[in-house]
Amino acid sequence: DAKTTQPPSMDCAEGRAANLPCNHSTISGNEYVYWYRQIHSQGPQYIIHGLKNNETNEMASLIITEDRKSSTLILPHATLRDTAVYYCIVRYFGNEKLTFGTGTRLTIIP
Amino acid sequence: GAVVSQHPSWVICKSGTSVKIECRSLDFQATTMFWYRQFPKQSLMLMATSNEGSKATYEQGVEKDKFLINHASLTLSTLTVTSAHPEDSSFYICSARDSGSSYEQYFGPGTRLTVT
Repeated sequence: DAKTTQPPSMDCAEGRAANLPCNHSTISGNEYVYWYRQIHSQGPQYIIHGLKNNETNEMASLIITEDRKSSTLILPHATLRDTAVYYCIVRYFGNEKLTFGTGTRLTIIP
Repeated sequence: GAVVSQHPSWVICKSGTSVKIECRSLDFQATTMFWYRQFPKQSLMLMATSNEGSKATYEQGVEKDKFLINHASLTLSTLTVTSAHPEDSSFYICSARDSGSSYEQYFGPGTRLTVT
């Protein structure tokens, strides 16, 4: 699976959109981009995933660049409960293993 | 839907004893479950893949005789830490793959193990 690079930490004001970047320059054509988050002392929570088209669900939006070498997770109206470590993971469809990097620690500021 | 539970949520044991952690998929069947370990301020590290009815597959560097995994049913996998030492103190997290979906995994809430 391709490696990912994320900033170690970010702050965002409550109520604003949180934009979390992820670089995956070595991604191959059949690898998906997944986002999970982990709130302190809890198990990871699935957020969203995509292949090449932008995706949106009730939690977030995923914007993948046309060359697929980077993506951005957008939390449209961040709340204090969104404070967590966010992991961007790239994996082949059908590969069950998830390889977690160091993620981005997002802190929502009141 | 897609709920995974772990029991216990936290446990304290003495060095040399064994402790068993359960991982259950509550509303779906899981032929495959995964066990992760997470030390403070570090990321999750995959320990092993648990397959229902067969032997678990361990990641490199993980002692299979120390971390015994049993996946006896489609909804239950157990991790037993044998002869625990203080360095085994960690946050243990399981995930379960829904056999009926496209390889999506759902994570349990984790078990905090402290070995004294």
